[in-house]
Amino acid sequence: DVKVTQSSRYLVKRTGEKVFLECVQDMDHENMFWYRQDPGLGLRLIYFSYDVKMKEKGDIPEGYSVSREKKERFSLILESASTNQTSMYLCASSLWLALNPSSYEQYFGPGTRLTVT
Amino acid sequence: TQLLEQSPQFLSIQEGENLTVYCNSSSVFSSLQWYRQEPGEGPVLLVTVVTGGEVKKLKRLTFQFGDARKDSSLHITAAQPGDTGLYLCAGGGSQGNLIFGKGTKLSVKP
Repeated sequence: DVKVTQSSRYLVKRTGEKVFLECVQDMDHENMFWYRQDPGLGLRLIYFSYDVKMKEKGDIPEGYSVSREKKERFSLILESASTNQTSMYLCASSLWLALNPSSYEQYFGPGTRLTVT
Repeated sequence: TQLLEQSPQFLSIQEGENLTVYCNSSSVFSSLQWYRQEPGEGPVLLVTVVTGGEVKKLKRLTFQFGDARKDSSLHITAAQPGDTGLYLCAGGGSQGNLIFGKGTKLSVKP
């Protein structure tokens, strides 16, 4: 079974703090993704990565950065947390198989519910 | 911009009832996936449909991909409280990412 783990299930931080959210997958997947999920807005893609040290901006990258130093680990960084970054953060991974629909199948971690006060 | 619209947004039914949720787009997708998400957890992949007109069954769940590969439906027969959750459809984007619908929140009451 694919396993995606996230460093914390719940996190409470203060405005202005630097926040690190870590994600680890154990299936040697090339692709990794960070989303945030908010009521009424659905899942929104923040950043994704196709390979080590590579990153691509998603739909809402402002206020976030990412790091992928190892294939299995993808970190999301909030440089200076703000209250509007209170959300559920979800990490996912997928294989890369050229021209194969299975490439799009993503496996999610349990999520980190972040509250910024 | 590729968008996926899901309907209905909310659905509350009694145990034993049948239901259908829809996922529609004006864009063609090479494949569509359905996920189920329980409260406080990440989405879990249920199925991938690839071929236009394809029908896949997963126990009491039936998934259909439209002939033109622009829409999909999920039909649940004899719903049970364990089916409660958020159902998300997703289609492949141009960069290998997924485009998600906003989901249908299903509540099945005993």
